[in-house]
Amino acid sequence: EVQLVESGGGLVKPGESLRLSCAAFGFTFSNAWVSWVRQAPGKGLEWVGRIKSKIDGGTIDYAAAVKGRFTISRDESKNTLYLQMNSLKTEDTAVYYCTTLRVTHYSDYWGQGTLVTVSS
Amino acid sequence: DVVMTQSPLSLPVTLGQPASISCRSSQSLVHSDGNTYLNWFQQRPGQSPRRLIYKVSNRDSRVPDRFSASGSGTDFTLKINRVEAEDVGVYYCMQGTHWPPVTFGGGTKVEIK
Repeated sequence: EVQLVESGGGLVKPGESLRLSCAAFGFTFSNAWVSWVRQAPGKGLEWVGRIKSKIDGGTIDYAAAVKGRFTISRDESKNTLYLQMNSLKTEDTAVYYCTTLRVTHYSDYWGQGTLVTVSS
Repeated sequence: DVVMTQSPLSLPVTLGQPASISCRSSQSLVHSDGNTYLNWFQQRPGQSPRRLIYKVSNRDSRVPDRFSASGSGTDFTLKINRVEAEDVGVYYCMQGTHWPPVTFGGGTKVEIK
């Protein structure tokens, strides 16, 4: 069964850091482009960033709102995606999802999300 | 960045009646490869988003055929033929043609009257 399982969320103060993980099961993670998408409480979906597969160059792109503060990485040996979040702001409070976010006929997968709360 | 505008914001529907959601993009979503990368997602209350439609009108597997979608260029529509109780939730369009960044519409909340 295909699963994406996020972890690492929690309550932090403004300016602090947090690292989220997303473990992938049941599909060839190394071939997948994977994104982080977040959803602030009661709001819509916002793309955070994406990492391509190594075979496609491993390029990483970020949304303007997080560029320079967030870092996406992947560990193929652990089938895991990471999101390192530094200098957190209150407006980063959201549920963070990892997702394949595919635009073609390949199946699309989303995790259950992990809640990050930034508050003093 | 491409701005995706959905309407209406809220859509109260009677069970068994049709529903239609509009999504407009600030520029054409036709990719240089000839494809149009427009997805529709459903997010039921308390759940993660789930893709319903890819490339404008292609239904994902296990998506009921009461869902259909169409459109071209900058104007797109998601239709539910006869709304059922399980269709309650928020629907989002998303463009994957001009990324980064991917951009989503603001969402349309479908509820039962």
